[in-house]
Amino acid sequence: ELKVEQNPLFLSMQEGKNYTIYCNYSTTSDRLYWYRQDPGKSLESLFVLLSNGAVKQEGRLMASLDTKARLSTLHITAAVHDLSATYFCAVVKALNYGGSQGNLIFGKGTKLSVKP
Amino acid sequence: DAGVTQSPTHLIKTRGQQVTLRCSPKSGHDTVSWYQQALGQGPQFIFQYYEEEERQRGNFPDRFSGHQFPNYSSELNVNALLLGDSALYLCASSPTSGVQETQYFGPGTRLLVL
Repeated sequence: ELKVEQNPLFLSMQEGKNYTIYCNYSTTSDRLYWYRQDPGKSLESLFVLLSNGAVKQEGRLMASLDTKARLSTLHITAAVHDLSATYFCAVVKALNYGGSQGNLIFGKGTKLSVKP
Repeated sequence: DAGVTQSPTHLIKTRGQQVTLRCSPKSGHDTVSWYQQALGQGPQFIFQYYEEEERQRGNFPDRFSGHQFPNYSSELNVNALLLGDSALYLCASSPTSGVQETQYFGPGTRLLVL
């Protein structure tokens, strides 16, 4: 069974500090996604990581993927209050039919709070 | 581009009732997936529709059923509602082709079962 674990589940940061969120998954997957969710809102796609060693950056967020270790990281640089949200990683479960989009298996999320 | 839309935004039902939620996918997307997100949890996959057929199903009982229409829009039906069905129901759409494509989520329908 494909499982996804994130840690930490809760993270309180000061503005200007750096931190990393970790995402481990239990079996082989060829895609990993990071999403952001604000309270009461839907999921916003941040990154899609497709291959071993993939690194993507957007603003103060940088995501990387190590498929051999089954590990992805989301690094936050010089945090600001606007980054406060819950961050989810998700991996794709292999399909049993010919389509290209599998179903996403999500971690429990990391609730990030950035304080002045 | 309107993105993924869902209706209604909120719904209150009582135990034993039935509910239908609706989803219109993003333009150009033909695959629709439904997820249930309980409070404080990550979304859980319910099922996926492609070419008007249920292609994959998560660990949800038969009370959860769906449909996809020729215009790719989709419905999620839940019968015999239980208190535990209270959650945010998210619809996600994606194109069949394009491995690099992410699944785009709609705003969700928040269901409260009393």
